Amino acid sequence: DTAVSQTPKYLVTQMGNDKSIKCEQNLGHDTMYWYKQDSKKFLKIMFSYNNKELIINETVPNRFSPKSPDKAHLNLHINSLELGDSAVYFCASSYLGLAGLGEQYFGPGTRLTVT
Amino acid sequence: AQSVAQPEDQVNVAEGNPLTVKCTYSVSGNPYLFWYVQYPNRGLQFLLKYITGDNLVKGSYGFEAEFNKSQTSFHLKKPSALVSDSALYFCAVRDEAAGNKLTFGGGTRVLVKP
Repeated sequence: DTAVSQTPKYLVTQMGNDKSIKCEQNLGHDTMYWYKQDSKKFLKIMFSYNNKELIINETVPNRFSPKSPDKAHLNLHINSLELGDSAVYFCASSYLGLAGLGEQYFGPGTRLTVT
Repeated sequence: AQSVAQPEDQVNVAEGNPLTVKCTYSVSGNPYLFWYVQYPNRGLQFLLKYITGDNLVKGSYGFEAEFNKSQTSFHLKKPSALVSDSALYFCAVRDEAAGNKLTFGGGTRVLVKP
């Protein structure tokens, strides 16, 4: 019955590799997000999709590419991983139809470690 | 541009005592304010939100927050803290004029001692 799920939970990889993180929500929400939480716990939005359309695209290296195959899924692909990409990545979802007033529901996070 | 400040990195409180976590914000339009809690190795959980109406908002787990427009603050409060309230708390703001983007504060770690 998990509302927002992410896979994998942990990801350890070497510099230069390409990796993907998957996110799925079963809440019927129309908007999904990716956040990055650094080692100091600072949380920053990266991307947001509404009904498969990109609506928020913060200043993120173009090595990061989100893909939304449908409203319930938002994946994050990262090319040429760098040490500075090490962080916890959170997926979230909300219902934008409430004029953007709906709270966001977060997944459990994916801890990415680049060595 | 919208921004959120949580001036305290950590708040220590004895169990049973009142708990307050401070938050101030800056927006250009009407603010929509949220509080989230993060337990160790977990995602963020929604506690409460202020959209409009009554300045005192009640949320989950006995928490409440007071919206103060003149002081641009949205402090989180709990009358009697529990050890299980120990966690990381985030304040967030969405500026009506800035689209759907939610900006988070830096977080405040709460430690409730028995």
